[in-house]
Amino acid sequence: QVQLQESGPGLVKPSETLSLTCTVSGGSVSSYMWSWIRQPPGKGLEWVAYISYNGDTNYNPSLKTRVTISLDTSKNQFSLRLNSVTAADTAVYYCAGLGKYFQRWGQGTLVTVSS
Amino acid sequence: DIQMTQSPSSLSASVGDRVTITCRASQSISSFLNWYQQKPGKAPRILIYLTSSLESGVPSRFSGSGSGTDFSLTISSLQPEDFATYYCQQSYNNTLTFGGGTKVEIK
Repeated sequence: QVQLQESGPGLVKPSETLSLTCTVSGGSVSSYMWSWIRQPPGKGLEWVAYISYNGDTNYNPSLKTRVTISLDTSKNQFSLRLNSVTAADTAVYYCAGLGKYFQRWGQGTLVTVSS
Repeated sequence: DIQMTQSPSSLSASVGDRVTITCRASQSISSFLNWYQQKPGKAPRILIYLTSSLESGVPSRFSGSGSGTDFSLTISSLQPEDFATYYCQQSYNNTLTFGGGTKVEIK
């Protein structure tokens, strides 16, 4: 069974870059599609980006100018970078496997943007 | 972007009740509608995909229906473990969007 685990700093300063990694086990990132979703505290879910096994990417238009998703097949990981962060980017960030729906989810990691 | 509107935003119900949550898309999404359940402090989990297909391991008391712009999730007999927040999500186009969520609370 595919499992996903997010990792990265829990605190990022305003205007800096948020960087997260999702490690996939029980499956290969060279197949399937992979995504990031976030959830501000007490609020709903927002899709951020996805990347396919061949490297094709798609971004939420509201974040497109600040976000990059990438794949590292040698480490079986995929990553998220979000630059110029503000307090509005404070959220639990989930990585997920994506087919016709978000089938497998990581446990989520809280990233707080604060000085 | 396709906007997804859920109603109600919250509801109170008793164990054994039949509960229906609705989701409306701002344009037709055919049958590309999925439902997730999220409990506090946990990641969402898929319940129903492509409007009415039950994910493996999900109890049969959950069902989904609809097409085009109007969809619903029904829990036929609410169980204690079903108290949670439910989200719809469209996968019709490449810009994936979620509804705002429906919190199901104990009456």
